[in-house]
Amino acid sequence: NAGVTQTPKFRVLKTGQSMTLLCAQDMNHEYMYWYRQDPGMGLRLIHYSVGEGTTAKGEVPDGYNVSRLKKQNFLLGLESAAPSQTSVYFCASSFTSPTGELFFGEGSRLTVL
Amino acid sequence: SQQGEEDPQALSIQEGENATMNCSYKTSINNLQWYRQNSGRGLVHLILIRSNEREKHSGRLRVTLDTSKKSSSLLITASRAADTASYFCATPGAAGNKLTFGGGTRVLVKP
Repeated sequence: NAGVTQTPKFRVLKTGQSMTLLCAQDMNHEYMYWYRQDPGMGLRLIHYSVGEGTTAKGEVPDGYNVSRLKKQNFLLGLESAAPSQTSVYFCASSFTSPTGELFFGEGSRLTVL
Repeated sequence: SQQGEEDPQALSIQEGENATMNCSYKTSINNLQWYRQNSGRGLVHLILIRSNEREKHSGRLRVTLDTSKKSSSLLITASRAADTASYFCATPGAAGNKLTFGGGTRVLVKP
């Protein structure tokens, strides 16, 4: 089992460019999440999904969109990147409940110039 | 806003010593979790303690939960250099539909 896989691992964007981060999990988990991690601020939830075809906003959703067309994939999109979106992004999934044990990917480091 | 807050923000110990970190939270919870993050890696789940439990062990880890004080502690006994990492507590948000994380405690174990 690969667990939770994120691609790409690193990306540099210019302000205004768009990109998509892909998260894939092979554990048949219902729940999937996108967090961003910034120094001194811990992890903040961007968007989450409680099942295929569903998405919901987290703490800091502005500037991001998500889709969950397949149960195993959760995509995070930036339509017009801003320097404030420079961060490390983590995808996570859980099986039993939104507040159960989370399984994390290795992170995607995004720099917006 | 953060539900959990870890204390201290950082600590440095010698190999073999014990490391203790604390987490305080604001609202009632049904469980509290601890995660470890090695530098440049994703978070890894360590232990979950339910609100009706006061103490839980896993290997060299000991977690306590005091719901009356809204606090938890993580103790790492006989620390090793490989325990160098950041440790985060996580609690259910007020709506119970997601986990929220504290800012973490950075632990450095010197050989």
